Amino acid sequence: SQKIEQNSEALNIQEGKTATLTCNYTNYSPAYLQWYRQDPGRGPVFLLLIRENEKEKRKERLKVTFDTTLKQSLFHITASQPADSATYLCAPRRGFQKLVFGTGTRLLVSP
Amino acid sequence: DGGITQSPKYLFRKEGQNVTLSCEQNLNHDAMYWYRQDPGQGLRLIYYSQIVNDFQKGDIAEGYSVSREKKESFPLTVTSAQKNPTAFYLCASSDRDDYEQYFGPGTRLTVT
Repeated sequence: SQKIEQNSEALNIQEGKTATLTCNYTNYSPAYLQWYRQDPGRGPVFLLLIRENEKEKRKERLKVTFDTTLKQSLFHITASQPADSATYLCAPRRGFQKLVFGTGTRLLVSP
Repeated sequence: DGGITQSPKYLFRKEGQNVTLSCEQNLNHDAMYWYRQDPGQGLRLIYYSQIVNDFQKGDIAEGYSVSREKKESFPLTVTSAQKNPTAFYLCASSDRDDYEQYFGPGTRLTVT
């Protein structure tokens, strides 16, 4: 079955540094992959989508890579701020208009 | 103001009772989804609907039911057959030609 792996341990970094989160998937080849941000007690919010034919996508301080050979996506936040503290979810496509979500990685940015 | 609304935010029920969670969207989206989120687990798909009057089971549909009589509404009923109903429930929608999902604020259901 399709499996999505994100680091379950929280990532602690200092303000101003670059945060890098990893998403690994197995047993299928998604046409695209999405990243979401989720704050405690709230619904996820869409951040970025990257397609299988794109190696890299950027949006302001965010950068996503997609390596279909390694079956891995990396999510980077540069010049991180305390307001970036949240849980980040990886969601590869699973079929028409369907996604499969990872468990998420919690990011903590300290001042 | 466009978006998805879920109500109520918190819901408490006694074991053995059915309960219906509301989800409404004014984004004119065709597709709607229900997910369940438990601590340490990813979002798990309960039911989804790609068009009015049609819906499909997701990965954990047992003990749940849905209806899609209107484009903007997709209520979820948690029945007494659901063994572990206490969870955070999230509703989402997406446009046919778009790929991102827009989520509501969620309903936290506690069954005792």
